[in-house]
Amino acid sequence: AQSVTQPDIHITVSEGASLELRCNYSYGATPYLFWYVQSPGQGLQLLLKYFSGDTLVQGIKGFEAEFKRSQSSFNLRKPSVHWSDAAEYFCAVGGGGSQGNLIFGKGTKLSVKP
Amino acid sequence: EAGVAQSPRYKIIEKRQSVAFWCNPISGHATLYWYQQILGQGPKLLIQFQNNGVVDDSQLPKDRFSAERLKGVDSTLKIQPAKLEDSAVYLCASSLGAAYSYEQYFGPGTRLTVT
Repeated sequence: AQSVTQPDIHITVSEGASLELRCNYSYGATPYLFWYVQSPGQGLQLLLKYFSGDTLVQGIKGFEAEFKRSQSSFNLRKPSVHWSDAAEYFCAVGGGGSQGNLIFGKGTKLSVKP
Repeated sequence: EAGVAQSPRYKIIEKRQSVAFWCNPISGHATLYWYQQILGQGPKLLIQFQNNGVVDDSQLPKDRFSAERLKGVDSTLKIQPAKLEDSAVYLCASSLGAAYSYEQYFGPGTRLTVT
């Protein structure tokens, strides 16, 4: 069965520092991979997605993610974090079951220190 | 373009009561999803509609949960009777259609507390 693991429940970084959020997936075929962000009281917003092609994908708000098949990973990165990036981040894998069925990880809460 | 609308935003009920949530997807979006997000976890798909037909309801607890999407637009999700473990945020999402099923747009959610 497909699954997503986000090993870090909570991460704190200083404003201006770089960020990397980890995501590992389990999926038999080439996965569709996603990162979503959820601010308090808000729905999920899609940051970026990987379907095929270039393994380094660019998203909104200055985020990028790299697909590494050998490591079954899709880590999210940002070179310089802003206070407004504080939120919860979810990695998801698509595929299997019904079309459009997304399997989400448990999320990583990001706090930003001034 | 208006986003996905959901109401109410918050609901507190006692166990064994019933509750209903409403979702209005983005105009023109044929596919609609209901997710359950329990505190500390990622969203879990409950049911997926394509127009007014059910595509996947394999994770919907059908003994107490029901959902409908009349006329292929708005949708309601009902819980009857509610249990304590139903306390969660219920998210509605929509997408253009089968070819764009992974491009899902989420509403703000309804936070349900069952006491």
